[in-house]
Amino acid sequence: EAGVVQSPRYKIIEKKQPVAFWCNPISGHNTLYWYLQNLGQGPELLIRYENEEAVDDSQLPKDRFSAERLKGVDSTLKIQPAELGDSAVYLCASSRSAGDTGELFFGEGSRLTVL
Amino acid sequence: DAKTTQPTSMDCAEGRAANLPCNHSTISGNEYVYWYRQIHSQGPQYIIHGLKNNETNEMASLIITEDRKSSTLILPHATLRDTAVYYCIGISSGSARQLTFGSGTQLTVLP
Repeated sequence: EAGVVQSPRYKIIEKKQPVAFWCNPISGHNTLYWYLQNLGQGPELLIRYENEEAVDDSQLPKDRFSAERLKGVDSTLKIQPAELGDSAVYLCASSRSAGDTGELFFGEGSRLTVL
Repeated sequence: DAKTTQPTSMDCAEGRAANLPCNHSTISGNEYVYWYRQIHSQGPQYIIHGLKNNETNEMASLIITEDRKSSTLILPHATLRDTAVYYCIGISSGSARQLTFGSGTQLTVLP
């Protein structure tokens, strides 16, 4: 079974530039998450999707961050414009919906450096 | 969700059992204890979870005290590949998808 796939693995941009991250969850997983992880800290939830609906986006900074999951499968997280403080690892995770045990499957993450 | 407290770091000799403690004194009756780990430059990986009874799977064992105020994750024969940050998370059954990670314990397995 293929795992959660994220791209790009690494991205370096200058501040004020836009950036986008892509995630393809495990096949059949209806729930998709985007997490932010700063250096030395645990992951923090940005947004959670149930199929194509964003059911929890309370932690997503909506002035510059946006996300979409148009067909309920893969998802894109965008930052526009990027700021220096956005340098972090952006993690995508997925899980089954029915009979969920709370087990999330994470991708390897996309490391963003803003110069 | 319950607040959890873990040591910042621990060392363990290769081949020995690694015992990682977690305090969750405010845990409520319907809250599970979950453990994840994160190897350097990878995403977190689910290890095990439990409610009241001790649990064991192919990766680890979870021992929960009778009063449920603390638990211990046991890696029976630690290897160098077990070097990682281990997160203990308390979460209610209705919020199983909303994991809140703390800073975790950095376990270093020494050769």
